[in-house]
Amino acid sequence: NAGVTQTPKFQVLKTGQSMTLQCAQDMNHEYMSWYRQDPGMGLRLIHYSVGAGITDQGEVPNGYNVSRSTTEDFPLRLLSAAPSQTSVYFCASRVLAGGGELFFGEGSRLTVL
Amino acid sequence: AQKITQTQPGMFVQEKEAVTLDCTYDTSDPSYGLFWYKQPSSGEMIFLIYQGSYDQQNATEGRYSLNFQKARKSANLVISASQLGDSAMYFCAAVPNYGGSQGNLIFGKGTKLSVKP
Repeated sequence: NAGVTQTPKFQVLKTGQSMTLQCAQDMNHEYMSWYRQDPGMGLRLIHYSVGAGITDQGEVPNGYNVSRSTTEDFPLRLLSAAPSQTSVYFCASRVLAGGGELFFGEGSRLTVL
Repeated sequence: AQKITQTQPGMFVQEKEAVTLDCTYDTSDPSYGLFWYKQPSSGEMIFLIYQGSYDQQNATEGRYSLNFQKARKSANLVISASQLGDSAMYFCAAVPNYGGSQGNLIFGKGTKLSVKP
């Protein structure tokens, strides 16, 4: 029972490089999302999706792209990394109806030099 | 838009004592859910407890209970008989059950709890 799997767990980038954080869930959840966590800021929503082919912006979407081609996968793309994107990133998923908990991946620590 | 306020950046509690972590929320949604998550120093997010806005009873899960006061928009977490393993960051979150932001949990900034032996 894998739950939410995100890779890589650690990544160091240089300013201007691009990368993709991968996220997959095996619980058939309609809803998936990406958060970033910075010290003293809690978790802030970057992008979310309520189903395959549907994505939308959260609170802090600038500098990030997402796509949802399947129910299982929800990758987060940084097209041109900036030091301000140094953070811990969490992918999460849940059932939309019924008050289900949000299941989190283990987190990905990204450093942009 | 929803907003979650956790006014205690850090708290200390003696082992075996009870502790209350404060959370207030601001929402205009008629139906919503409230969550508490724990984040130990290892970094993973652990779900603790959930309260629906129409639930009549306060939610309980083992040593965790949620003191839900709807009129005051308050959703405090009570941990009874604190243990050393309870030392962690605790996040309160709210989610609307309907509408365009359905599914989006909005988190507070967290409270760092330290349990003293």
